[in-house]
Amino acid sequence: EIVMTQSPATLSVSPGERATLSCRASQSVSNNLAWYQLKPGQAPRLLIFGASTRATGISARFSGSGSGTEFTLTISSLQSEDFGTYYCQQYNIWPPFSFGQGTVLEIK
Amino acid sequence: EVQLVESGGGLVQPGRSLRLSCTTSGFTFGDYAMSWVRQTPGKGLEWISFIRNKVYGGTTEYAASVKGRFTFSRDDSKGIAYLQMNSLKREDTAVYYCTRQDVEVVPGAVFGQSFHYYYMDVWGRGTTVTVSS
Repeated sequence: EIVMTQSPATLSVSPGERATLSCRASQSVSNNLAWYQLKPGQAPRLLIFGASTRATGISARFSGSGSGTEFTLTISSLQSEDFGTYYCQQYNIWPPFSFGQGTVLEIK
Repeated sequence: EVQLVESGGGLVQPGRSLRLSCTTSGFTFGDYAMSWVRQTPGKGLEWISFIRNKVYGGTTEYAASVKGRFTFSRDDSKGIAYLQMNSLKREDTAVYYCTRQDVEVVPGAVFGQSFHYYYMDVWGRGTTVTVSS
């Protein structure tokens, strides 16, 4: 089973600043990696798939990069609605599909 | 608008059963694979089950934590997916999400071979299951 590790666990960023979230896979997942945003009371939302492709309707402020075992989600010019918990997930070798443990993004 | 709505959650005693439903709209349900993902209190996300569309046999996959206890099925005529949960344990307490799976099909090196890479492009709001006596 591929283990996904996210860092940091919690990130506090001021509005207008950049947020950088990291995700590491225990073995190569090629570019078969997705990022999701979870907010209380809302349906989780796909942000990025294929490591760097934005999902439909996702702001260009969100960008993904990386391949193999190291991945990054960058949110430029953070806005208040960007708070929430972000998860990476690999879908290269499955089952199981495996998620990271999440990064909580707090707005300063 | 594409929508997934989960239902059927509630309070149930350990060892009992519960059936969750995922009612879909806004897309051709039969064209897609689906998954169930759960979020346990204070913890992260855990994928628990997957079902292919009928073109690929409608077969299922399960996480080790639920294999043999949970059954994923689908009714393409109604656009509904079901998760039958038997022999429930306290550690099954979670919010259960239904997800649609989009797919990237990549040809393999051998003629006729292909690889399917599935990601969860649409999620429902979830239904809460609490297993407690």
